[in-house]
Amino acid sequence: DQQVKQNSPSLSVQEGRISILNCDYTNSMFDYFLWYKKYPAEGPTFLISISSIKDKNEDGRFTVFLNKSAKHLSLHIVPSQPGDSAVYFCAARATGTASKLTFGTGTRLQVTL
Amino acid sequence: NAGVTQTPKFQVLKTGQSMTLQCAQDMNHNSMYWYRQDPGMGLRLIYYSASEGTTDKGEVPNGYNVSRLNKREFSLRLESAAPSQTSVYFCASSEALALKETQYFGPGTRLLVL
Repeated sequence: DQQVKQNSPSLSVQEGRISILNCDYTNSMFDYFLWYKKYPAEGPTFLISISSIKDKNEDGRFTVFLNKSAKHLSLHIVPSQPGDSAVYFCAARATGTASKLTFGTGTRLQVTL
Repeated sequence: NAGVTQTPKFQVLKTGQSMTLQCAQDMNHNSMYWYRQDPGMGLRLIYYSASEGTTDKGEVPNGYNVSRLNKREFSLRLESAAPSQTSVYFCASSEALALKETQYFGPGTRLLVL
């Protein structure tokens, strides 16, 4: 049972445009969400996070939006750059289970020139 | 700072062989984790260690054992490898076992079991 779903395995965006990566979750106990970025042959690196008490968090070119009623979050990258080409994982935590990150399957983003 | 390091980078095993994956962090973090990543699936937690001297099972612990050797090092052992354990293994660490703590990942060990 996949509790965190990233339904788009891949996404291609032109340089300078907006990239929107989506993530849906089913567990209503999740209250902290993270995005990780992964390059080939490297480990995931933390990108941005959001607590369930917020609906938006921004860090430079990266913004995460959370819609709790829809159990949906999205990562916006504006403007997209070639160096953003990577696999992006959505992850979630539930209160009381701080040890456990539940990851989505990832979306491969390719930013083209 | 090297962050989180893992050895080896790549390993081929025959079914039934044993091996230990090594992980070390130099960030003085208290908590450490082992994940596996399989095609079409997200990372899944195998075992974690909240602090030196403690270990707990994660989502997929069967077939694995761990040792928190000291604050820096956390090893994962496969006693009798099976083809189903072919995967990429990631070690991670965080300052503490808390809701908002960020986990920092190593580069991974790619394991192939024949």
